[in-house]
This record gives sequence, C-alpha cells and structure tokens, in this order.
Amino acid sequence: GQQLNQSPQSMFIQEGEDVSMNCTSSSIFNTWLWYKQEPGEGPVLLIALYKAGELTSNGRLTAQFGITRKDSFLNISASIPSDVGIYFCAGRLVYNQGGKLIFGQGTELSVKP
Amino acid sequence: GAVVSQHPSRVICKSGTSVKIECRSLDFQATTMFWYRQFPKQSLMLMATSNEGSKATYEQGVEKDKFLINHASLTLSTLTVTSAHPEDSSFYICSARESGEQFFGPGTRLTVL
Repeated sequence: GQQLNQSPQSMFIQEGEDVSMNCTSSSIFNTWLWYKQEPGEGPVLLIALYKAGELTSNGRLTAQFGITRKDSFLNISASIPSDVGIYFCAGRLVYNQGGKLIFGQGTELSVKP
Repeated sequence: GAVVSQHPSRVICKSGTSVKIECRSLDFQATTMFWYRQFPKQSLMLMATSNEGSKATYEQGVEKDKFLINHASLTLSTLTVTSAHPEDSSFYICSARESGEQFFGPGTRLTVL
C-alpha cells in the first residue's frame, strides 16, 4: 500500500532548541495533516495544509506543504518540555481512496529541561 | 477544533466475550468515521471506514465478522469486537472528518484476558 516516510524516528533535544521533522512519499497528496499524540490519548490535530507551497503556523509550530505535493515538514521553535510526544504526519492522496488518511511512522520527541 | 468522544476509555474483558466501543462527534455531523488500531510505539493502522447508513469498508486483512461496525446516525459509530481474544488487545481510536480535517477520539484501551 501507499507509504509515508517520516523522519527522524526519534529526537532528543535540549529545551529551547528548534526541531524539524518531515514526511516524504512517492505519491502526490492533496492534504497534509500534522498530529501530536501523548501516551494513552488520541492524536490531536496541530496543523492542516491544503495547497502546494502553503506555509501555516500555529504558535511555535510551522508546517509547509511541499511544492511537489509529495512532502511536508513540521518545525517547532524554542521547544519546551510539554512538546514531548509523538508527532505524526498524515496525508490524503489526490485520488482520495475514500478520503482515508495515510500516516507516517511518527517522530518521538524528547525534550530535556 | 471539532470534538470526538469515545466510550469506554478502558475495558478489560474475558476471552470469548464481545466488546462494544462507541464513537461520537459532539459538535458536528460526520457522514464518515474511521476506526484505527494502534500497537505500542507504532503508527495508526486503519481498520475500516464507517459510512452513515451503509456498510463499512474494511481494509485488507481486517475481518469484518470479527470487527462489526455500525454507523446508525450522523454522530455515532460503534465498533464491536466479537469473541475477543488476547491478540485483540490494543488501543482502538476512532476519527471523524469535518471538511478536510480529521479529528480523533481519545482512544479505548482494550485488554482481553
């Protein structure tokens, strides 16, 4: 099936540092969504992107829909301990396939105070 | 963002029993809901797409007779794990779509003894 390659798998950073993670695919997407999941909870939507080249911010988070429509990145600036969690990218293919999302493998973020 | 609830949040049952999980969209109507399964430290795996008023669409490898889905109204979908066995123990998460965004419930931790 379709796959999203998300990297890095994990990050261990110091509080205050910036973070960058990305997702790539060989397929073309018309929607990119970024989620954060904390232990024992469902994913929470952070940012939604709908147009190639779109750059959207949500507080310290910034995400971009790649111009080729095959990739997206998420940046977190000035990280804080509560940023800890697993971040997932998810994309919806151009040919939709029932509107279902394809998920990346996740990036586990650890922030050291 | 839109709110999706799930009930129960945690259930422990004996092998051979059936368990029903409810998913509700609280402040919007969802013609389509999705059911996912997640193992520890892994990404979300789509099990099925639940369509209001019609049969669910199951992903390859998911047994429709074991995981019964009913989407009786625009705000409620249910997943019933029939004759549960220990290998069915997992974190089950539902999701509902509003416009292009997809919102997740808090998840249900199922443990089958």
